[in-house]
Amino acid sequence: LAKTTQPISMDSYEGQEVNITCSHNNIATNDYITWYQQFPSQGPRFIIQGYKTKVTNEVASLFIPADRKSSTLSLPRVSLSDTAVYYCLVGDSDRGSTLGRLYFGRGTQLTVWP
Amino acid sequence: SQTIHQWPATLVQPVGSPLSLECTVEGTSNPNLYWYRQAAGRGLQLLFYSVGIGQISSEVPQNLSASRPQDRQFILSSKKLLLSDSGFYLCAWSFVDGTYEQYFGPGTRLTVT
Repeated sequence: LAKTTQPISMDSYEGQEVNITCSHNNIATNDYITWYQQFPSQGPRFIIQGYKTKVTNEVASLFIPADRKSSTLSLPRVSLSDTAVYYCLVGDSDRGSTLGRLYFGRGTQLTVWP
Repeated sequence: SQTIHQWPATLVQPVGSPLSLECTVEGTSNPNLYWYRQAAGRGLQLLFYSVGIGQISSEVPQNLSASRPQDRQFILSSKKLLLSDSGFYLCAWSFVDGTYEQYFGPGTRLTVT
């Protein structure tokens, strides 16, 4: 089981870029790194997923160094509506299985101020 | 497109009473299905997952159980609720492709009194 460590909270202001770093020293060869966003009283929402190097979509970028022991979620120009909890997860898949079991920690509470 | 439904949205039950939460998925076949619980101010805890009808795996020993009577239906049950069962219960599904993109339902807020 690959555990993850991320800051408990972060603060930012509207329009700034936010980088949330997650460490996962015991990541396995077949594991993907996935980030989710959760608003209060809602289920988490998938943001981005990667295996190595850099992945970018319309919402965020994910930077993964060569050793894959950490990853950084980058949110460009955040707004008040980006205030949420962000979870970094590393998949723990059974060998030969198509099931991806995810383990959510406490995540990072991002608060964006006006 | 795929959608996931959960009901009820909120539930208040006395200690010792039974529980049945239902989750259904539309627009996809043979999904992986998951039940999570989130206690107040905490992260999500994976409770059960299923790769097919009648195939249930439990992550945490507890007084809860899960069943999958149909391909896209996932039920969380308890014969006797405990105070510690209070929380936000979330159902999720994923494609059977080995990656970890999961889609969550709206959740059920359970309060055991």
